[in-house]
Amino acid sequence: AQSVTQLGSHVSVSEGALVLLRCNYSSSVPPYLFWYVQYPNQGLQLLLKYTSAATLVKGINGFEAEFKKSETSFHLTKPSAHMSDAAEYFCAVTNFGNEKLTFGTGTRLTIIP
Amino acid sequence: DAGVTQSPTHLIKTRGQHVTLRCSPISGHKSVSWYQQVLGQGPQFIFQYYEKEERGRGNFPDRFSARQFPNYSSELNVNALLLGDSALYLCASRYDRPQETQYFGPGTRLLVL
Repeated sequence: AQSVTQLGSHVSVSEGALVLLRCNYSSSVPPYLFWYVQYPNQGLQLLLKYTSAATLVKGINGFEAEFKKSETSFHLTKPSAHMSDAAEYFCAVTNFGNEKLTFGTGTRLTIIP
Repeated sequence: DAGVTQSPTHLIKTRGQHVTLRCSPISGHKSVSWYQQVLGQGPQFIFQYYEKEERGRGNFPDRFSARQFPNYSSELNVNALLLGDSALYLCASRYDRPQETQYFGPGTRLLVL
């Protein structure tokens, strides 16, 4: 079985401040991990993914995430928040031989001007 | 290249009715998955099809069924609609293996009255 826990259903940061969205996973086998973003009334867009290569993964729009096996974490960061980053962010996990993505409950990011 | 397309974009049905949702994957993608996203939650896996065969099924009742056609497009059918079936239904496609990126469509928003 696999699962994802996203700590903080709502996160607010000031424009220009560091963005940190937390994701912890549970998986009995090596995981593949993903971060998706969802803007209002839209589908999901992939930000970045980890598939057992480099532990620090860089994605689109200045986001990056670090896979830490010892902490079972895959937190998403961005050095400087922009107003356009306001959206819902989902962490997801799967693994080799598994056909489904298991998503967390999401974190709504609000940017304060 | 066109992304994943879904139709219709919005749908209103009444309890007990049947609904068919359609999805066209990215050209060349052989795998299609369906997810249900209830308001305020992360997407939940319903089905995955690869080369017209069901490869995975989530914890959904038998009222939910799907199929994939030779051109890799897919339909999701829901019978005997319940109020709780109101959700955003997302289709995702990927080329082959689980570690590859799943690309999501914009979704079909279903409202059951």
